Amino acid sequence: GAVVSQHPSWVICKSGTSVKIECRSLDFQATTMFWYRQFPKQSLMLMATSNEGSKATYEQGVEKDKFLINHASLTLSTLTVTSAHPEDSSFYICSAAQRLHPSDTQYFGPGTRLTVL
Amino acid sequence: AQSVTQPDIHITVSEGASLELRCNYSYGATPYLFWYVQSPGQGLQLLLKYFSGDTLVQGIKGFEAEFKRSQSSFNLRKPSVHWSDAAEYFCAVGNPRSNDYKLSFGAGTTVTVRA
Repeated sequence: GAVVSQHPSWVICKSGTSVKIECRSLDFQATTMFWYRQFPKQSLMLMATSNEGSKATYEQGVEKDKFLINHASLTLSTLTVTSAHPEDSSFYICSAAQRLHPSDTQYFGPGTRLTVL
Repeated sequence: AQSVTQPDIHITVSEGASLELRCNYSYGATPYLFWYVQSPGQGLQLLLKYFSGDTLVQGIKGFEAEFKRSQSSFNLRKPSVHWSDAAEYFCAVGNPRSNDYKLSFGAGTTVTVRA
């Protein structure tokens, strides 16, 4: 089956530093990747949609300059949390879709736990 | 805007008993419907999905879901739960009229299985 990995699985950083999270589709090419944020005991909130080779589309209320997304290849997307602050602490999850169709299954990564001190 | 409601925050069920998780959606037309399961330390895994056709959908791990247009529901069921079914379950909807392929997720239902 389709596998999506994320790295790192958890990270602790100091306030003011930047953190990069990688999302890789291991056995398929992902035309589209999505980034979600999940707070404890809550649902997934879509942050942005990224298509390979083009700029990401951010959801309303998500700061583009704080959450930089790059989708440089069909198997890799990165999320960089710039100048992180404690309120950015959360569980970040990516997903990837193989084809460009709304019915496509999104395959999810295991998530990255970010803690900002 | 489409929305998804999972009325039950937490359900406790005995091993071997049946399980039903509720999902209601609000949308003008029939959306794409999905059920995902999230286990600790693992990514969300697709259990099943519905686009059209037969309203009873069979999924993995012995799960099934039934789409009821009149009730705007897509409830998930399993006849006999196993201890390994303890997890968080999310219902999600996609917009077939949109080109953005985004999913809207419900708040999730935590399932606890007791021996």
